Amino acid sequence: LAKTTQPISMDSYEGQEVNITCSHNNIATNDYITWYQQFPSQGPRFIIQGYKTKVTNEVASLFIPADRKSSTLSLPRVSLSDTAVYYCLVGEDGGSQGNLIFGKGTKLSVKP
Amino acid sequence: DAGITQSPRHKVTETGTPVTLRCHQTENHRYMYWYRQDPGHGLRLIHYSYGVKDTDKGEVSDGYSVSRSKTEDFLLTLESATSSQTSVYFCAISDGGASYEQYFGPGTRLTVT
Repeated sequence: LAKTTQPISMDSYEGQEVNITCSHNNIATNDYITWYQQFPSQGPRFIIQGYKTKVTNEVASLFIPADRKSSTLSLPRVSLSDTAVYYCLVGEDGGSQGNLIFGKGTKLSVKP
Repeated sequence: DAGITQSPRHKVTETGTPVTLRCHQTENHRYMYWYRQDPGHGLRLIHYSYGVKDTDKGEVSDGYSVSRSKTEDFLLTLESATSSQTSVYFCAISDGGASYEQYFGPGTRLTVT
């Protein structure tokens, strides 16, 4: 199973763009990259998923280089409400759905 | 939000007693999961189910059992609770399609004294 490495914490200010990078050196050919967001006292919430290049939705963008050994979650113009823990996951799409490994995540603190 | 409820939301129990946590969904999703979350460990998968009566172990399954007799319900049982099982437990569901998008419940805070 591919393991991921993320920074433990990041600080930012309102209005800035935040980029959180995740390293997954042993990602397999069939693995997808998925990001979740978790607020205190709540369950995680799916943000975005991708396989290669760039994916964008109304919340974030996900950049994946050609070698797929890392990925970057980009949050445009963050606000105080984006303060949360962000998890990067790597796993085989359509494969064993039980083998998700969340890791410890990146705690993002957005300051006014 | 996906229709997932967990009960109870909070529970305090004594070491050695059995405990059952319930996860209920109204989405008719095939997959259901139980995670625990502890400071410094992130979320760790305990057990999951890929259909009625079909379950499998996750990363930290020792001391836990699960059952799924109906699509909508997934039960997590601690046969004999220990203090190391004090944690926040999350249930999640997914339809198992071309996505790792899981929907999480509100969590159950369990304290074993």
